[in-house]
Amino acid sequence: AQSVTQLGSHVSVSEGALVLLRCNYSSSVPPYLFWYVQYPNQGLQLLLKYTSAATLVKGINGFEAEFKKSETSFHLTKPSAHMSDAAEYFCAVSDGWGKLQFGAGTQVVVTP
Amino acid sequence: EPEVTQTPSHQVTQMGQEVILRCVPISNHLYFYWYRQILGQKVEFLVSFYNNEISEKSEIFDDQFSVERPDGSNFTLKIRSTKLEDSAMYFCASSEAGVGGNQPQHFGDGTRLSIL
Repeated sequence: AQSVTQLGSHVSVSEGALVLLRCNYSSSVPPYLFWYVQYPNQGLQLLLKYTSAATLVKGINGFEAEFKKSETSFHLTKPSAHMSDAAEYFCAVSDGWGKLQFGAGTQVVVTP
Repeated sequence: EPEVTQTPSHQVTQMGQEVILRCVPISNHLYFYWYRQILGQKVEFLVSFYNNEISEKSEIFDDQFSVERPDGSNFTLKIRSTKLEDSAMYFCASSEAGVGGNQPQHFGDGTRLSIL
């Protein structure tokens, strides 16, 4: 069975500061990992995905994530936060058969 | 960019009534999904659908739930007799054909279902 754990339900960052959102996974098979973002009153938008090619994955809006098998982690980072990054972020894992298991989400607040 | 569209955006229904949530997946996608998010909780998988049949379903997806692709464009979720605990945001998603589940799923904006 697959699962993900997101550490921190709320993160507050200053504009221009590093954004770091933590995700740890549990999987009995090589996982496919995803980060999604949800803006208010909108659906889930794919930020990036890991599918066993490169361990450092670049996504949209300046975000990237690094797959670390030894730490079973897939943390999301952005070097410099922008006000438009305020949203909820979800880490998700798939076993390769389509079903996504989501983490509980991390709400990001960006302060001026 | 192609989008997954869901209607209605908000549905209010009396307990015990049937409700149908509608989705138009991206046109060249072949895998379809429904998820739900109860307020304050995780996004939960309900069902996946491929080649006109259910591929996988969760424990949540009991006999009260059904899915259908009635034509070449729509994908529907029916709840036969709604309960208060069915109140949630329901998301439809679709993905291209590919090897297993590594194709990203594209989500609609959701239907907020409120059961009174």
